[in-house]
Amino acid sequence: KAGVTQTPRYLIKTRGQQVTLSCSPISGHRSVSWYQQTPGQGLQFLFEYFSETQRNKGNFPGRFSGRQFSNSRSEMNVSTLELGDSALYLCASSSGTVTYEQYFGPGTRLTVT
Amino acid sequence: AQSVTQLGSHVSVSEGALVLLRCNYSSSVPPYLFWYVQYPNQGLQLLLKYTSAATLVKGINGFEAEFKKSETSFHLTKPSAHMSDAAEYFCAVSDQANTDKLIFGTGTRLQVFP
Repeated sequence: KAGVTQTPRYLIKTRGQQVTLSCSPISGHRSVSWYQQTPGQGLQFLFEYFSETQRNKGNFPGRFSGRQFSNSRSEMNVSTLELGDSALYLCASSSGTVTYEQYFGPGTRLTVT
Repeated sequence: AQSVTQLGSHVSVSEGALVLLRCNYSSSVPPYLFWYVQYPNQGLQLLLKYTSAATLVKGINGFEAEFKKSETSFHLTKPSAHMSDAAEYFCAVSDQANTDKLIFGTGTRLQVFP
């Protein structure tokens, strides 16, 4: 099976802009979770989508949003970018049921200047 | 709330030596615990998981971890380090109600010297 894919891999944006990141889960997986990884804050959970519905949400401002499509692909959007949003954004997919195993993509490295 | 503490942000060992990476958790319910590894410029790869079955869990690449409830620990070990083990290792916990929400530790960078 193909793994989790994320596009783009690298992105440079300017403060105030918005950005959309994409994640394609492993075939058959219905759950997609997003994490932010920074040197200062480490790995932090953003949100999880299961069957097109947000099932869990972390403690991030409303500028961070996401959605999931009927084919389980997911996007996350960050509006009004701030310098502190520079991070590696990781997507993980799972079956969303009882296996408790998440498979991570390679991440999107976002740099805000 | 669930939390994870990884003792030691950096660990250095010689090739062939024992690897021991420490993880302590805090959980109000029986936890599900995980170890992930991250190589430079890559995502996270699941090494092993504990989900209330056997307390000694064997994972990939020769790693294993033992769940000790009395010590609230889930330390990762490997009998003999290999150069290719050099990476960052993360311990994570999730609770049974939110199994796809992982709380990660701050990570331990493992260096392996020849």
